[in-house]
Amino acid sequence: GESVGLHLPTLSVQEGDNSIINCAYSNSASDYFIWYKQESGKGPQFIIDIRSNMDKRQGQRVTVLLNKTVKHLSLQIAATQPGDSAVYFCAENRMDSSYKLIFGSGTRLLVRP
Amino acid sequence: GAGVSQSPSNKVTEKGKDVELRCDPISGHTALYWYRQRLGQGLEFLIYFQGNSAPDKSGLPSDRFSAERTGESVSTLTIQRTQQEDSAVYLCASSLSVVRKETQYFGPGTRLLVL
Repeated sequence: GESVGLHLPTLSVQEGDNSIINCAYSNSASDYFIWYKQESGKGPQFIIDIRSNMDKRQGQRVTVLLNKTVKHLSLQIAATQPGDSAVYFCAENRMDSSYKLIFGSGTRLLVRP
Repeated sequence: GAGVSQSPSNKVTEKGKDVELRCDPISGHTALYWYRQRLGQGLEFLIYFQGNSAPDKSGLPSDRFSAERTGESVSTLTIQRTQQEDSAVYLCASSLSVVRKETQYFGPGTRLLVL
């Protein structure tokens, strides 16, 4: 079935390095994408979003890139910090269902001191 | 202001019992969503409310699951005759509206364990 999935289930990076978390989606009707961060025992926290009319969006230390040609989404975290350790989810929202977020299975980011 | 809150934070119950999970959305948010998250997995959409109406209930796993919302505020997710496979974290989110794809803000979740 259609899904949003991730390439790497676990990513380990050195503190201070940049992190890149990838996500593939399969539905070309998706027009809105969101990255969430989930720390242990907490609910997902919104990080950044991007609409399909954009290729790139930047926030504070984070950048989301969208490649609609290959249906690929990535989250880049600059100068990764120990506090960035968490599970990161991408989610897609489709044109025909503005309310429903389809989540990937998540990538765990581990930051080594 | 206050975020989305959920209660209880943890619930342990015996198989066959009914449970009620509560969600208090952010004030002024007309849209409210329920998701389920099994251990080590992503979130699974269950149901959403626009105001007090639930236009799409197709995500509810079975007829043992029901939800209601009153006063365009608090929502309750009820699971009847709980089964062990119902064990999961149940997450609630709210957003300003549904139509404009506003950001969904999540609560901390209720961790349900069915013995």
